[in-house]
Amino acid sequence: SQQGEEDPQALSIQEGENATMNCSYKTSINNLQWYRQNSGRGLVHLILIRSNEREKHSGRLRVTLDTSKKSSSLLITASRAADTASYFCATDAFNTGNQFYFGTGTSLTVIP
Amino acid sequence: KAGVTQTPRYLIKTRGQQVTLSCSPISGHRSVSWYQQTPGQGLQFLFEYFSETQRNKGNFPGRFSGRQFSNSRSEMNVSTLELGDSALYLCASRQGARYEQYFGPGTRLTVT
Repeated sequence: SQQGEEDPQALSIQEGENATMNCSYKTSINNLQWYRQNSGRGLVHLILIRSNEREKHSGRLRVTLDTSKKSSSLLITASRAADTASYFCATDAFNTGNQFYFGTGTSLTVIP
Repeated sequence: KAGVTQTPRYLIKTRGQQVTLSCSPISGHRSVSWYQQTPGQGLQFLFEYFSETQRNKGNFPGRFSGRQFSNSRSEMNVSTLELGDSALYLCASRQGARYEQYFGPGTRLTVT
């Protein structure tokens, strides 16, 4: 399976701190995307990073991609209580018809 | 632009019945994918349609089927419902293979 895995499974931090979560995957990819999901709701797209990119920023979010290690990290700086959610990475590849495979998710709790 | 919409948002069905879920993609998006999310299995890919053709299919039994119309709207059908089909069903759309995928709010299906 190409399914990724996020690490850690759960993370609890104080408001204002930075949160880092990691995603590992198994085969070569085309793109990697990060999503946020609030309890029981749809997924919100955060960032897409392509296989030829190493780092992308969006507001308080920073995503890195290391294709040699088949891993990505999502950094949320200056966290807020509203960042409390589950975070998923999703990968796709040409050799699987660009089908998306989701990781298992990291549950982030930001304590006010 | 309006986001991805799904109807209905909540549904309660009895084992053995069938159900049809509907998804309207973002205007201009020709690809629609369906996912099942459960606490035990996480996010599982069901199938993807592009320009009315099924492009990818996940590992689900034949009771799960879908279709896409000429206006890119998509429907997903589950026949002979089982208790294990209780899940959040998510629809997502994108312009094409190398683009971001955007999700709808989901349909919460409960099978009793």
